[in-house]
Amino acid sequence: GESVGLHLPTLSVQEGDNSIINCAYSNSASDYFIWYKQESGKGPQFIIDIRSNMDKRQGQRVTVLLNKTVKHLSLQIAATQPGDSAVYFCAEGGSGNTPLVFGKGTRLSVIA
Amino acid sequence: KAGVTQTPRYLIKTRGQQVTLSCSPISGHRSVSWYQQTPGQGLQFLFEYFSETQRNKGNFPGRFSGRQFSNSRSEMNVSTLELGDSALYLCASSSIPTFPSGGEQFFGPGTRLTVL
Repeated sequence: GESVGLHLPTLSVQEGDNSIINCAYSNSASDYFIWYKQESGKGPQFIIDIRSNMDKRQGQRVTVLLNKTVKHLSLQIAATQPGDSAVYFCAEGGSGNTPLVFGKGTRLSVIA
Repeated sequence: KAGVTQTPRYLIKTRGQQVTLSCSPISGHRSVSWYQQTPGQGLQFLFEYFSETQRNKGNFPGRFSGRQFSNSRSEMNVSTLELGDSALYLCASSSIPTFPSGGEQFFGPGTRLTVL
């Protein structure tokens, strides 16, 4: 598969544990945030999004938390599975008509 | 329903050449966005087309251009290739424009371009 990023921060988690991936965003005017998952050799896959008028949103096994005060976004994955191993990106957007800005990504490695 | 398809998947060119990449969105999707992904810069937005009109453009030189056809298929072109253009070029489709609506995007597998 292709390498998405050679020097990404890596989070190693034991299978079954919860994972927390963090992201700092830059534009306080951003009102839309997304988390993507990218597996080796594939394009990014939408996981979950959140608008700035919310501070928490839950999906299936995932929760996104938004702290606008410190411009911080986190993705929590419950009961992490080997299939969760991938690179995770956050993206911010919605400020006027500006395009999405992506973070550099975090590589999640699940230890069986 | 077929996903987003990109052709070719791999391409090798030399400096100074030009290249055209193709993207077919999910059936019914009218928005196509293009991104460049490199290890150093990560994912960077190139441009978005909706109903054959460019809606937004990222901070890339004019050597990067694109277009969208009436069937929503899109092409991007890079002229006068430079070594730094080596990257994974990703296309994403959505049913509505991503800005400012934030419509969910579906990505293709990408075209890996290597410039020698």
